[in-house]
Amino acid sequence: GAGVSQSPSNKVTEKGKDVELRCDPISGHTALYWYRQSLGQGLEFLIYFQGNSAPDKSGLPSDRFSAERTGGSVSTLTIQRTQQEDSAVYLCASSFREGANTEAFFGQGTRLTVV
Amino acid sequence: GEDVEQSLFLSVREGDSSVINCTYTDSSSTYLYWYKQEPGAGLQLLTYIFSNMDMKQDQRLTVLLNKKDKHLSLRIADTQTGDSAIYFCAATNAGKSTFGDGTTLTVKP
Repeated sequence: GAGVSQSPSNKVTEKGKDVELRCDPISGHTALYWYRQSLGQGLEFLIYFQGNSAPDKSGLPSDRFSAERTGGSVSTLTIQRTQQEDSAVYLCASSFREGANTEAFFGQGTRLTVV
Repeated sequence: GEDVEQSLFLSVREGDSSVINCTYTDSSSTYLYWYKQEPGAGLQLLTYIFSNMDMKQDQRLTVLLNKKDKHLSLRIADTQTGDSAIYFCAATNAGKSTFGDGTTLTVKP
């Protein structure tokens, strides 16, 4: 498709289990972001990938969180040993790095519920 | 790094103008964006302004940029109930966007 695609759209998991969230960015976009949005809250920056540069992981809340971006395209956000406070909507966005407009295009998010 | 701040809530009456304010810290920011998130939906670009401009108008939306003070505002004229949403400002430098926490706009009939 033409937009940013995230899967699954919903995920319910038991506390302590690991989860993987996937993001397919728009083709050709070199920048990819992961954000977390808790109910009624703002965006919490998690991680930023830009081309082949080392990712900016400064927003990852703990070492249970990690993300990879393979081949400069698809990204996976992994949360190990999930906790209830991890419940949120996880949003992925991608953009061009250069050019006249570096607008971020967002996916619809993955709603994670840890029970 | 960049820090972007917004007030969290704004409430207006239908037909009034709404002004949502945003400040940022990195004077090298090249593009400044406003995104809108409607209830239960994703974020979508509303408008943007390039850093060498001080005003941009697009129908009911007016964006004002004060580069000296690193202050950005979004004015919505004749605010409608359908404008109720969370509005995020974002500052971009070298291709990386930093978002504010969002301003929840409530429009009362």
